[in-house]
Amino acid sequence: AQKVTQAQTEISVVEKEDVTLDCVYETRDTTYYLFWYKQPPSGELVFLIRRNSFDEQNEISGRYSWNFQKSTSSFNFTITASQVVDSAVYFCALSDTSTGGFKTIFGAGTRLFVKA
Amino acid sequence: GAVVSQHPSWVICKSGTSVKIECRSLDFQATTMFWYRQFPKQSLMLMATSNEGSKATYEQGVEKDKFLINHASLTLSTLTVTSAHPEDSSFYICSARDSPNYGYTFGSGTRLTVV
Repeated sequence: AQKVTQAQTEISVVEKEDVTLDCVYETRDTTYYLFWYKQPPSGELVFLIRRNSFDEQNEISGRYSWNFQKSTSSFNFTITASQVVDSAVYFCALSDTSTGGFKTIFGAGTRLFVKA
Repeated sequence: GAVVSQHPSWVICKSGTSVKIECRSLDFQATTMFWYRQFPKQSLMLMATSNEGSKATYEQGVEKDKFLINHASLTLSTLTVTSAHPEDSSFYICSARDSPNYGYTFGSGTRLTVV
């Protein structure tokens, strides 16, 4: 069955600190997709990244980086030199074929507070 | 890039009335759309999968007679909350799959308040 676990409910950091958001997933499929979304207070979901299960290459985009480790079923997200504007809820999500429709299941989310 | 428009952004309705929320894919055809509900400070919970030209598939525990989904065209899916009650107040978000890349695009969400 699909499952996404974000063990960190809330994280509070001071501006310019680095912060890592953890994500552990479960799936029986060999083909699946992992996502990270940002949800600011306004509510809309902002797409950050998608990885497929065959591409374990880590990725860096500006201050954001992602570490995909199939061996530990983890897809962690690091923000370097955090800024106040990074304050939001971050969701990790998984999509696989187990239900035949590539439904996306979300983790519980991690609320990040970045203080000035 | 792919854009999904969701309307209205917010709505307030009286208990017992019905509310329709629209989800449109603006620059791509979406054979499959998904509807999610999010209660305050909680995660997004999948309600149903909407397939163009066929019946929606509802997740366990979601009342299909209360949350009517229609996906009549490749660019439009609608969610109608029938006989709304205060406990239906929530944030509803749709997403569409930008096949064949299996990318997902989310609408901006609809905040429903039932008074």
